[in-house]
Amino acid sequence: KDQVFQPSTVASSEGAVVEIFCNHSVSNAYNFFWYLHFPGCAPRLLVKGSKPSQQGRYNMTYERFSSSLLILQVREADAAVYYCAVCPSNTGKLIFGQGTTLQVKP
Amino acid sequence: IAGITQAPTSQILAAGRRMTLRCTQDMRHNAMYWYRQDLGLGLRLIHYSNTAGTTGKGEVPDGYSVSRANTDDFPLTLASAVPSQTSVYFCASALQGGTGELFFGEGSRLTVL
Repeated sequence: KDQVFQPSTVASSEGAVVEIFCNHSVSNAYNFFWYLHFPGCAPRLLVKGSKPSQQGRYNMTYERFSSSLLILQVREADAAVYYCAVCPSNTGKLIFGQGTTLQVKP
Repeated sequence: IAGITQAPTSQILAAGRRMTLRCTQDMRHNAMYWYRQDLGLGLRLIHYSNTAGTTGKGEVPDGYSVSRANTDDFPLTLASAVPSQTSVYFCASALQGGTGELFFGEGSRLTVL
């Protein structure tokens, strides 16, 4: 079955670099999508691609079947749920992981 | 209106009742989607529409129906709600299907008793 795997929880301290890992088992998916979700708000796209990329404090690493989201200088306000997703070329429909809850200690 | 609007934001419903969750977008996006969010399961696709007049089934379509009479609106209907449909429902849109770049609404929390 096509699946996306990510840890349920990651904890960090303020100012650190946080890494959220994701891997998948989808043979025909080549792009990763990282979404940010604050409960009660709309999830939004942070970074995407099929190569390493950066958007502000968010870096995305890339391997064929895995990606990490790196958050630089993490803040308490970054505490949220981060979703990893891939998009199989045959369906064009995103497959999401379970979401990773980021906990940030002051 | 800017973006995607969902209604209601929250609803408590008795089992067996019919319920329609509304979704409207003003971005003239062709593709629209309905997801449900459940703890430990992430976001799972219920139904989608690549363009007005067409719809398709996602990963968990049973018990739900959709329609896409025009570009802007994509309502999700639960014909006879059951407790397992208690969830947070997110509507999303994309300029074109298959891009993976979705714009989400703020969600509708549904509790079925």
